[in-house]
Amino acid sequence: TQLLEQSPQFLSIQEGENLTVYCNSSSVFSSLQWYRQEPGEGPVLLVTVVTGGEVKKLKRLTFQFGDARKDSSLHITAAQTGDTGLYLCAGESGGSQGNLIFGKGTKLSVKP
Amino acid sequence: DTAVSQTPKYLVTQMGNDKSIKCEQNLGHDTMYWYKQDSKKFLKIMFSYNNKELIINETVPNRFSPKSPDKAHLNLHINSLELGDSAVYFCASTPEGGEAFFGQGTRLTVV
Repeated sequence: TQLLEQSPQFLSIQEGENLTVYCNSSSVFSSLQWYRQEPGEGPVLLVTVVTGGEVKKLKRLTFQFGDARKDSSLHITAAQTGDTGLYLCAGESGGSQGNLIFGKGTKLSVKP
Repeated sequence: DTAVSQTPKYLVTQMGNDKSIKCEQNLGHDTMYWYKQDSKKFLKIMFSYNNKELIINETVPNRFSPKSPDKAHLNLHINSLELGDSAVYFCASTPEGGEAFFGQGTRLTVV
């Protein structure tokens, strides 16, 4: 069974601080996706990383896929209160009917 | 137009009842999923269907039975509801190798 370990589970920081969320596995994934979920809503995709070593930037968010495609990180620079939410990583196992397996999520709270 | 819609959004029911949650996607995706999100926000896959065929059936009690009448619909029927079934259930659909689009979730409360 493929598992994605996400850390930290909870993170409470002040506005303006930087943070990093990690997603690790012993399995190789064909792609890794990061989602953000707001209360009462379904998760919404932020980014997909496909190539080992790939780095993608989305404004203040930087996503990295490990060289071996087993781990990923999400770094937020100068966090804002609007970044508060649940961040989920999800790995796709590959194949024409690949599974999408989710990590347990990181609940981020950014205080003013 | 809502891409993935599931109904109802809230469902409160008594133990032992049978209930269904419906899901429809208008994205033309071949693969649809049901996920269960518990109180700790852990999103766990329950079932996956590809073109109306069951692909994934994780360790889920057989009281849960998915039904896919066509590739745009994946309904979830639950028999003999138990307190531990209380959770938020999400339907999602994906194109091959693409992002998942989620419904808004169905908050099921068993009392």
